[in-house]
Amino acid sequence: QSVLTQPPSASGTPGQRVTISCSGSSSNIGGNYVYWYQQFPGTAPKLLIYENNQRPSGVPDRFSGSKSGTSASLAISGLRSEDEADYYCAAWDDSLSGPYVFGTGTKVTVL
Amino acid sequence: QVQLQESGPGLVKPSQTLSLTCTVSGGSISRGTYYWSWIRQPAGKGLEWIGRIHATGNTNYNPSLESRVTVSVETSKNQFSLNMRSVTAADTAIYFCARDQGLVSPHFDSWGHGTLVTVSS
Repeated sequence: QSVLTQPPSASGTPGQRVTISCSGSSSNIGGNYVYWYQQFPGTAPKLLIYENNQRPSGVPDRFSGSKSGTSASLAISGLRSEDEADYYCAAWDDSLSGPYVFGTGTKVTVL
Repeated sequence: QVQLQESGPGLVKPSQTLSLTCTVSGGSISRGTYYWSWIRQPAGKGLEWIGRIHATGNTNYNPSLESRVTVSVETSKNQFSLNMRSVTAADTAIYFCARDQGLVSPHFDSWGHGTLVTVSS
């Protein structure tokens, strides 16, 4: 049912840069802020990026967000083993799919 | 630092009503422009936003669930609740409550730990 599409998986070795894409439409990403959440198994999601590219206090600057048109991306630079988790994008949706929609989720594996 | 805690039955029979409560501590549920949301996650699957409420009683719902869901607030107890009617096995999930930053930039900056609800006879 998710209207925001992410790749199911991404991987990299320690120190590498990994990028996760999030594809939406004009009713969500195209016209609203994008948010990113990080979730470890058995725990609640944690806000990682808000308003496209802003990091909450305490989130390392290795994590960065960007948006262009109806797509967004999360980049993890200097990948660490502790970054292995699920990542979800999210946005407000102005259409009947909304109001709030999450992405399909991406599992990041550190090789 | 605000904290949220979900509570309610872990097992609900099919066709019955799922009822959960989220207790907010460390801050008033009535303060500011915050909304208070419910989000669920079936085992091994992604997140689904269910609905939210403001202390004034203003609500928004996921259109796919709106006909079965009511979110309410009890400001005197600093709690908000979820009622989901006519549940089926497809409603089995971990249910999270979360603080929503509101209208201008809706996002969830504080979450409860989540509670597993199983729908089974």
